[in-house]
Amino acid sequence: DTGVSQNPRHKITKRGQNVTFRCDPISEHNRLYWYRQTLGQGPEFLTYFQNEAQLEKSRLLSDRFSAERPKGSFSTLEIQRTEQGDSAMYLCASSGDPTPHTQYFGPGTRLTVL
Amino acid sequence: LAKTTQPISMDSYEGQEVNITCSHNNIATNDYITWYQQFPSQGPRFIIQGYKTKVTNEVASLFIPADRKSSTLSLPRVSLSDTAVYYCLVGLDNAGNMLTFGGGTRLMVKP
Repeated sequence: DTGVSQNPRHKITKRGQNVTFRCDPISEHNRLYWYRQTLGQGPEFLTYFQNEAQLEKSRLLSDRFSAERPKGSFSTLEIQRTEQGDSAMYLCASSGDPTPHTQYFGPGTRLTVL
Repeated sequence: LAKTTQPISMDSYEGQEVNITCSHNNIATNDYITWYQQFPSQGPRFIIQGYKTKVTNEVASLFIPADRKSSTLSLPRVSLSDTAVYYCLVGLDNAGNMLTFGGGTRLMVKP
C-alpha cells in the first residue's frame, strides 16, 4: 500500500496523559498536513509542513499540541496533558508535485480521552 | 478563503445519476475546486478537482460554469456503496496550502 498511513488507528487515554500519533505520507510527497475532525463536522486544519519546515499552524493548535517532521518524511503529532475536548479523529494528508493542490488523506487516528 | 454552500443531505436510489451543487460566490482567480468523499471512520478520499469547464474521471464528473461561482459534482449510476459525505472545497489559504472543509452533503443511496 503506497498511500498515507497513520498509527495507531485508535487510542484511548485518560485525561492528563500525553499521546503521540505518527503519519507516514506518500513517499514522494514533500507536503504534509494534520487535521482534526469531530463527529458530524468536516475536518479542521491544524498544521502544515513542507519538507521538515512547519510553515503554518492553526489557532486550534494550542500549546499542548506539537508536531514534528524531523527528516521531511514521517511526522508525529503529540498532545500533552490531554483533555476530554481533544477526543476526535486526527487526520494526516500529504501532497506533492505535480499536483500540490491535491491532498491525499490517511485513515486517521481516533482518540478517546476518558 | 472562499466559503462554500452545499445541501446538508440528499437521497437517491441505486442506478440514478446524482448531482450535488456547491455555491462559492467569492471564489478567487487562483482557486481550484476539489471534491472529497468520506465514509464513516475513514479519511476523506479525493474524488475530482477542476478549475473551469468540465472535468471527468473514472468516478465522477465536475461541471464548472464560466463564472466559476458554483460547481456540480455528478455521480453516474450510484450504488449503495456511494452512501457517504461529499465535501466541496474551494481555494487555498494565503500560504497556498490549507484546505477548509464545510459541513458536506450527506448522500444516502437507497435500494
